[in-house]
Order: sequence, then C-alpha cells, then structure tokens
Amino acid sequence: DAKTTQPPSMDCAEGRAANLPCNHSTISGNEYVYWYRQIHSQGPQYIIHGLKNNETNEMASLIITEDRKSSTLILPHATLRDTAVYYCIVGAGGSTLGRLYFGRGTQLTVWP
Amino acid sequence: GAVVSQHPSRVICKSGTSVKIECRSLDFQATTMFWYRQFPKQSLMLMATSNEGSKATYEQGVEKDKFLINHASLTLSTLTVTSAHPEDSSFYICSAPPVLRGDYGYTFGSGTRLTVV
Repeated sequence: DAKTTQPPSMDCAEGRAANLPCNHSTISGNEYVYWYRQIHSQGPQYIIHGLKNNETNEMASLIITEDRKSSTLILPHATLRDTAVYYCIVGAGGSTLGRLYFGRGTQLTVWP
Repeated sequence: GAVVSQHPSRVICKSGTSVKIECRSLDFQATTMFWYRQFPKQSLMLMATSNEGSKATYEQGVEKDKFLINHASLTLSTLTVTSAHPEDSSFYICSAPPVLRGDYGYTFGSGTRLTVV
C-alpha cells in the first residue's frame, strides 16, 4: 500500500516555481523518498530521490524535513512540458527489498 | 543512466489469446523486475515481482495463472497475459530497482498498451 499522501492537483504559472508537497509520516529509517512523474501514456520518469539531506539535480530540488515525515519537490522554473502526474514514493531501494507502491499522485498543470 | 527497454509498446489481441510483454535491462543486470498495471485515470498498481532464477511473487489479488512471469536471465523478464479478456485491457509497465541501494532511481520501461477485443 502507498505510504504517502499528496494533494490530488495543483497548478502553476509557466516560469514560476512549482512546489509539490508530500507527507510520509510512517517512513522508516532505511527508506528513501523517490519522486517520479508520468506524462500521459508513458512510463514514469525518475526525477530525484533522497534519504535525509536535501538534494538537487538538473531537474528539481528535494527538500526533506528533519524528521523525514514530509518532503517537497521543487521545480524551479516550471514549463508547459512539466505538466504531468507527480508521484512521491517511499521505498527501501535495491534488490527485492524495494517494492514501490504508488499512491494517486499530484496532477500538476502548468499554464501559460 | 540505466535503461529498461519494453516491447511491444502497443498490442491488440483477440479475446482468449495470450500476449507476451518483454522487458530488457540494457547495460546492467536486473536480478529483480517489478510489473505494474495501470487503468485509465488511475495510479500504477504493483502486480508482481520477478526474480532471476526463481518464482515470481505476486501481490494479493493478482492471478498467478493468468499473469505468467518469467525471469530467465539477468537482462530479460517477461509477462504473459494468458487467455486475455477485455477487462485485461490496460497499460502494463515494468521497473528495475537500482543495483546499489540509493545509487539512483528505479528505472521504468515505456509501457505496453494492451487492448483485448
């Protein structure tokens, strides 16, 4: 079962930052927070993941609270192509320990 | 990064026939592959976990005899939908976990759109 809670939908103006929240209050110590997005009729695309520290890559930034019970994905300058369903998932990672259970995700709509 | 190649991308089959979906890990060895199903406007539902050289493990409620999973090599996992019916029409997606824990994200195939007529 999914262990995360996300708002069902959000929207954002093009060029502005999109901040997508996620609650994962039951996360355990060895579980990572993963963010994926899915554009219609495609496989999910990896965005970023983290364990404790904040992370940044060319796509996004991930802010994890100190107690690790919630996180925020930040798309610094949203574009129309960022319109997608964004999934926040927790998983142990690696080998058979790492089943990922998807929740409903957040439909992000970027408008011009 | 790691790539999982999934084929076919789309398939239409007649009711009662079987369809095989392949997922290949490119440039890395996937000892484990996860299989998901996604109905329109719904999230991905984990169906089963395939492990190279051993039997797959199925999530509760998934029919083992209907969804046959084979993971005969470190780079190939297959899902066969047997005796397909229109209600099996769905989007099927495979995923391989990172080789090293925390190394990178899980890699997903591009998905297979199955339509049973």
